[in-house]
Amino acid sequence: GDSVTQMEGPVTLSEEAFLTINCTYTATGYPSLFWYVQYPGEGLQLLLKATKADDKGSNKGFEATYRKETTSFHLEKGSVQVSDSAVYFCALSGPSDSNYQLIWGAGTKLIIKP
Amino acid sequence: DTGVSQDPRHKITKRGQNVTFRCDPISEHNRLYWYRQTLGQGPEFLTYFQNEAQLEKSRLLSDRFSAERPKGSFSTLEIQRTEQGDSAMYLCASSRQGTDIYNEQFFGPGTRLTVL
Repeated sequence: GDSVTQMEGPVTLSEEAFLTINCTYTATGYPSLFWYVQYPGEGLQLLLKATKADDKGSNKGFEATYRKETTSFHLEKGSVQVSDSAVYFCALSGPSDSNYQLIWGAGTKLIIKP
Repeated sequence: DTGVSQDPRHKITKRGQNVTFRCDPISEHNRLYWYRQTLGQGPEFLTYFQNEAQLEKSRLLSDRFSAERPKGSFSTLEIQRTEQGDSAMYLCASSRQGTDIYNEQFFGPGTRLTVL
C-alpha cells in the first residue's frame, strides 16, 4: 500500500542555518503531496502542497519540490528561526478526488537554538 | 470561519468507561475525517464521512468505536469500554469536495484521551 518515510528526528539546528527534512513516498499513480506542521500545543496546519510532478510548493520561506523520478518531496528552508521549532509531517493523498484519506509519515521534530 | 473545533480538549477516564468526543467542522465542508495519533507517530486514519454517510472505516476502528455525523454537520466519536491502548490524541479534520484535484484537510486541535 501507499506509504511515506521521513527522516528521523529530532533535527537540531542553530538559528539561520539551512534546513532539509527528507521525505520519500511509495504510491500508485500520481498522488498529491503535503507538508503539515504541528507547533507545540496546537493542531496540524498545512504548510505547503504540490499536486503534480515538478510542482514546487512554498510558504513562509519553506519550499518542497515534487520529484517523481526519485519519489521525493524534501522540505527546505534557507534560514530557520527559533519560531520554526515544531514537528513536521509529510503526507500524501491519492490521485483522484475519490481518495479521501491522507497517508502520513512519522513526523520530524525540529529544534532551533538561538 | 472559525476553523475545526473539538471538544473536550482533554479527557481522563478509567479503563472500562465510555467516552464521547465531538467535532464541529468548517461550516461549508461536507467531508469529515477522524484520525488517531500516538506519541511520536503520524496520524492514522480511522473513518470518513461525506455529508452524513460514513463511507469508510479503518480496521483500526474496532467494535468498541462508533462514529456518527447526524445531518451532515458535527460528528461524534464514541469509545466504549475504554482500554489503556486507546490513550492517544484523536484528531478531526474537514475538507470540501470540489473541483480541486487535491484533498486539503483542515484539522482541529485534537482531543487527548488518557485511559488510566
